[in-house]
Amino acid sequence: AQTVTQSQPEMSVQEAETVTLSCTYDTSESDYYLFWYKQPPSRQMILVIRQEAYKQQNATENRFSVNFQKAAKSFSLKISDSQLGDAAMYFCAYRSGSGGSNYKLTFGKGTLLTVNP
Amino acid sequence: DAGVIQSPRHEVTEMGQEVTLRCKPISGHNSLFWYRQTMMRGLELLIYFNNNVPIDDSGMPEDRFSAKMPNASFSTLKIQPSEPRDSAVYFCASSPKVWHTYNEQFFGPGTRLTVL
Repeated sequence: AQTVTQSQPEMSVQEAETVTLSCTYDTSESDYYLFWYKQPPSRQMILVIRQEAYKQQNATENRFSVNFQKAAKSFSLKISDSQLGDAAMYFCAYRSGSGGSNYKLTFGKGTLLTVNP
Repeated sequence: DAGVIQSPRHEVTEMGQEVTLRCKPISGHNSLFWYRQTMMRGLELLIYFNNNVPIDDSGMPEDRFSAKMPNASFSTLKIQPSEPRDSAVYFCASSPKVWHTYNEQFFGPGTRLTVL
C-alpha cells in the first residue's frame, strides 16, 4: 500500500518570505498523481497544486510551486511571498494512476503552517 | 457553479441517537466520496460511489455506519446508534472521473459531529 509522509508537523514563516513543506511517498507504481491540499481554519479542503508523475516539469500555480523528485519519491511545496492567508494545515496526497484503486487519495498527516506578520 | 454542499455544518447529539449527514455533489460529477477526519487518524476514506453505486466501502468502520446515494445529486451518511468515538469532521467530496486525467476531488465544507 502507498504511504505519504509529511515529516514536519509544524512550520512557521515570516510574511513575504519563502517556505518549503516536505512530502515523501512510498510506491512501486510508475503512473500516479500527487496533490497538495490546504485546509484553513474554516476546515474547507482546497486544492493548491497537482502533479502528474510522468511530467518532469514541476507544477506552478502563482506563488505555489513544487519540487518533484520522482527517483527520490519527494514532492515538496514551496510558497513564495508568504501571506497571512496562507496560514493553514497543508496535506500532501497521492493517487494511483491505474488499477482498481485509482480513485483513492492517500493523505499525509499534514503540516500546520503559521505565517507571522 | 456551486461547490459540494454538505449539511448540517455542525451537529451535536447524544450517544445512541441516529445521525444523518447529507451531501450534494457538484453537478456532472460521477464519483462521490465520504471521508472522516480526526486528530488521531487523519483523513480516512469511508466509502466511494461511482455513478451512484457503492464501489468501495472497506473504510466504513462498523455496521453502525451506512451510506446511500439514491441519485446523482444526493448522498447520505448515517450513523445509528452514534457513539462518542464517532465525533469527527465528516467530508463529502466529488470528482469528475475521466480516464487518464487528474480526477481531482473537490471537497465540501465538512460537518463537525460531536457525540456527547
